[in-house]
Amino acid sequence: GQQLNQSPQSMFIQEGEDVSMNCTSSSIFNTWLWYKQDPGEGPVLLIALYKAGELTSNGRLTAQFGITRKDSFLNISASIPSDVGIYFCAGLTTSGSRLTFGEGTQLTVNP
Amino acid sequence: ETGVTQSPTHLIKTRGQQVTLRCSSQSGHNTVSWYQQALGQGPQFIFQYYREEENGRGNFPPRFSGLQFPNYSSELNVNALELDDSALYLCASSPSGATNEKLFFGSGTQLSVL
Repeated sequence: GQQLNQSPQSMFIQEGEDVSMNCTSSSIFNTWLWYKQDPGEGPVLLIALYKAGELTSNGRLTAQFGITRKDSFLNISASIPSDVGIYFCAGLTTSGSRLTFGEGTQLTVNP
Repeated sequence: ETGVTQSPTHLIKTRGQQVTLRCSSQSGHNTVSWYQQALGQGPQFIFQYYREEENGRGNFPPRFSGLQFPNYSSELNVNALELDDSALYLCASSPSGATNEKLFFGSGTQLSVL
């Protein structure tokens, strides 16, 4: 089945630093999504990407849909303590009714 | 506008028992999906319901079943619980059965099987 490999598994950074995480797949996806999950909550959508090569920003967050449609990355600039949480990439095929999630990147921001 | 609500928030069951988890979709959303999230893992798709019919199923055994009601709320039923069923069960709703990128997740039900 489809699998998404997300890296790194965890990151420990200082407040103000920039963060980069990525996701790769053996399969092609037509939509890439990035979610953030806080403890005791469900994932919340951060950014959605619909076209290969697309670069999209949401405040301090920037994400790109890889040209091969098999990868995506998420950058967070000037991190703040509330950025702490688990970040998930997810892929969606055109005809699919399901999201395939990566294993997550646990982000810790030290003030 | 109310978001996706799930009940109960926490549940403890023993192996072999049956469990029913409930989900109310966000106002105006007619599609409900269920995901299982084991500790330290990403959510795994269980199935989706659209217009009261199953519209896609993941790699889960038949003892995982579901229902969607006319008001678009949904239930997830798990029979013959196993220890590995311990997980956070997430419900998500979306406004259309055709596109699924705009999923809105509930806070989940944490199921512990002893």
